[in-house]
Amino acid sequence: NAGVTQTPKFQVLKTGQSMTLQCAQDMNHEYMSWYRQDPGMGLRLIHYSVGAGITDQGEVPNGYNVSRSTTEDFPLRLLSAAPSQTSVYFCASSYGTERTGTQETQYFGPGTRLLVL
Amino acid sequence: LAKTTQPISMDSYEGQEVNITCSHNNIATNDYITWYQQFPSQGPRFIIQGYKTKVTNEVASLFIPADRKSSTLSLPRVSLSDTAVYYCLVGERGRDTPLVFGKGTRLSVIA
Repeated sequence: NAGVTQTPKFQVLKTGQSMTLQCAQDMNHEYMSWYRQDPGMGLRLIHYSVGAGITDQGEVPNGYNVSRSTTEDFPLRLLSAAPSQTSVYFCASSYGTERTGTQETQYFGPGTRLLVL
Repeated sequence: LAKTTQPISMDSYEGQEVNITCSHNNIATNDYITWYQQFPSQGPRFIIQGYKTKVTNEVASLFIPADRKSSTLSLPRVSLSDTAVYYCLVGERGRDTPLVFGKGTRLSVIA
């Protein structure tokens, strides 16, 4: 298994540009989520999904959209990039609902470093 | 969601046992305690999880007193490779309430 994969690894955007951060997992996990991590800070939840077709907002959802059309994929879209969105973005997945909820082990991807100029 | 409080940073010499304590005074009956480890430029990695008393795996031990208002992650004989940020999380199993990561404890292991 590849686990959780994220692309791209690094991206530079100009203010106002849009882009999609890709996240995929091959473990048949129901639960997927997106976090951002700013320097010296912990992870903050952006959006999460408990299964295909179901998404919900986390702590810092503004400026981001998500969709979950398949179990495997959970892309994060930046609608109009701003310098405040410069961060490292992590995607995570777990078995979720059908087993023990989000307290089941979360598997994190390697992250995407985003710089918005 | 129960809030957690951890020391911001800790230093240790190689070969010593390191204990990181997490306070969670408002822990609920159905909450579990989970610890994650994060190395620089990597995503967090699950270390250990427990509900009460003591849990041990190949990496660490987790001590939880009877009142469950705190927990202690114990790393035996740390090495330089244990330098990382350690996060304590509290949440309910069987529900989809999102995990909440605080700032964690930055452990620096010195040779």
